[in-house]
Amino acid sequence: EVQLVQSGAEVKKPGESLKISCKGSGYNFGGYWIGWVRQMPGKGLEWMGSIYPDDSDTRYSPSFQGQVSISADRSIATAYLQWSSLKASDTAMYYCGRRGGSDGFIDYWGQGNLVTVSS
Amino acid sequence: IVMTQSPATLSVSPGERATLSCRASQSVSSNLAWYQQKPGQAPRLLIYGASTRATGIPARFAGSGSGTEFTLTISSLQSEDLAVYYCQQYNTWPAYTFGQGAKLEIK
Repeated sequence: EVQLVQSGAEVKKPGESLKISCKGSGYNFGGYWIGWVRQMPGKGLEWMGSIYPDDSDTRYSPSFQGQVSISADRSIATAYLQWSSLKASDTAMYYCGRRGGSDGFIDYWGQGNLVTVSS
Repeated sequence: IVMTQSPATLSVSPGERATLSCRASQSVSSNLAWYQQKPGQAPRLLIYGASTRATGIPARFAGSGSGTEFTLTISSLQSEDLAVYYCQQYNTWPAYTFGQGAKLEIK
């Protein structure tokens, strides 16, 4: 069974750094792109970027380029989303998901990480 | 590419048909997916390739369209279909985009 399990909710202050994780199981983790999607409170879905764990090829949506960093460790089947200096506007639910093969839709989703940034 | 969904909210009685639309600002071919998001849950893939149902999705969900105009039809609405529905284009890598969402209410 394909599963993506994300790390727990986080509460941080503005300016702090953060790294959240997404652990895959039940499939060849390295062979599928992992995407990250943001959902701000009460809002819709936004595609942030993706990584191919086998070679760490990473692509960002233009809106998120330079704002976050995506990485992966194939040996432990885990992808990461990282911020170096959080802002209040980063408060959101963040989902990871497995891209369906060579296509760009997400066929399996993690449960989500709620990130709250507040002073 | 901007994806525009309509209507923003749709209220339908159980057993009736629900039709949701998604328009792309430029052609995305058939690279279009639909997701269902129930309150407090992660999204779930319903349709990909504009018209192919994902594994385990009931036959009452059907997708159609290509180019810039797409439709998600729920043929006989059930109470558990209460959700927000999103379309997503995956034609322009890596700048995939979602529609703003359409809320389906049960009358």
